[in-house]
Amino acid sequence: QKEVEQNSGPLSVPEGAIASLNCTYSDRGSQSFFWYRQYSGKSPELIMFIYSNGDKEDGRFTAQLNKASQYVSLLIRDSQPSDSATYLCAVSKGNQAGTALIFGKGTTLSVSS
Amino acid sequence: KAGVTQTPRYLIKTRGQQVTLSCSPISGHRSVSWYQQTPGQGLQFLFEYFSETQRNKGNFPGRFSGRQFSNSRSEMNVSTLELGDSALYLCASSPQASWAKNIQYFGAGTRLSVL
Repeated sequence: QKEVEQNSGPLSVPEGAIASLNCTYSDRGSQSFFWYRQYSGKSPELIMFIYSNGDKEDGRFTAQLNKASQYVSLLIRDSQPSDSATYLCAVSKGNQAGTALIFGKGTTLSVSS
Repeated sequence: KAGVTQTPRYLIKTRGQQVTLSCSPISGHRSVSWYQQTPGQGLQFLFEYFSETQRNKGNFPGRFSGRQFSNSRSEMNVSTLELGDSALYLCASSPQASWAKNIQYFGAGTRLSVL
């Protein structure tokens, strides 16, 4: 079982719709969860992080965490063509001796105008 | 505040050569991590440095090494390059306010092509 799994997509949504991106992880001890956006040819850009169960909202983005189900999701409301990118889910693994981000393969989102 | 700076942006090398990549973290960030990104394997963790010490290492061969200097700048070295080392190498820095809240910010990356 891969440590962090995402549906590779592509996920296609019309402009103005809600895009829902999902991620599951295997390590129950994971404490920090991140969503990065990566445009083609660019580096990952942090858009959301979440530590506690429940929802966290930032503008058009909402991250949802369910530790019991080992599930993280990202909702993008009022999707725009500029949201078209690959979205990477990452889980922080480690302890005081050292940490690392473990990434899923990413979900490609395409928003059509 | 300036972001994470990686140099060079692009490199072309031939098999058997070695290469050194450089990373300057965000001012005040003491943790630097390196990642390799390829189309097939995605983003994979290479190693993490904090206060000039390697704290964590991913599953890569010993040809991959790194170091961190007292000003938190970091270098990564790959010796005896192989074709499969062609990738985007990303550096990320973290303020490390808490190991459990490991927020990392990425640089633009160095794209290495091995011919």
